[in-house]
Amino acid sequence: EAQVTQNPRYLITVTGKKLTVTCSQNMNHEYMSWYRQDPGLGLRQIYYSMNVEVTDKGDVPEGYKVSRKEKRNFPLILESPSPNQTSLYFCASSLIGQEQYFGPGTRLTVT
Amino acid sequence: QKEVEQNSGPLSVPEGAIASLNCTYSDRGSQSFFWYRQYSGKSPELIMSIYSNGDKEDGRFTAQLNKASQYVSLLIRDSQPSDSATYLCAVNMQGSARQLTFGSGTQLTVLP
Repeated sequence: EAQVTQNPRYLITVTGKKLTVTCSQNMNHEYMSWYRQDPGLGLRQIYYSMNVEVTDKGDVPEGYKVSRKEKRNFPLILESPSPNQTSLYFCASSLIGQEQYFGPGTRLTVT
Repeated sequence: QKEVEQNSGPLSVPEGAIASLNCTYSDRGSQSFFWYRQYSGKSPELIMSIYSNGDKEDGRFTAQLNKASQYVSLLIRDSQPSDSATYLCAVNMQGSARQLTFGSGTQLTVLP
């Protein structure tokens, strides 16, 4: 089944404790992206990647890191999470210029 | 000016009515347009894509594109309570490395 997977789906952590949210797609898509979604603010892009080893900042990159060492994986790293990073996170992938397919989401709470 | 604009709503329609959702975009060179449906707490789900001027129908959904007016719309016929969701308009802007630019979404409620 063609899909984008994210793990974990739910995470509660404390301020400053490094965490990684994994994202993987099995559709051989070149493009991958991370979004966060907060009430009233819509989808905001954090980082995106056009291909392996090619990443770039989106609208709200502060406090996040990404890497793209393999085509299928695009992990999101929070080196020192803070409460303002409490949010619903989505990973998405696509062929260049085509519709994006979203993962199921990761609900992160930072206390 | 926002690059992709949607009325935030909420939009309420009675069951069985036609729901009309609108979206305008700023980049005249945009080529690809998508509508996503998002239920609360769930991920966006693609429901329609449209690439050329005119109408595209898929079941109860019709997407309409007018590139001259930089306007794309989604009509939902025979609206059902299960259509209650937020609808996101997304545009592939010419030359944008970000691929898709999303509107902020329109919240639709279909009243039984």
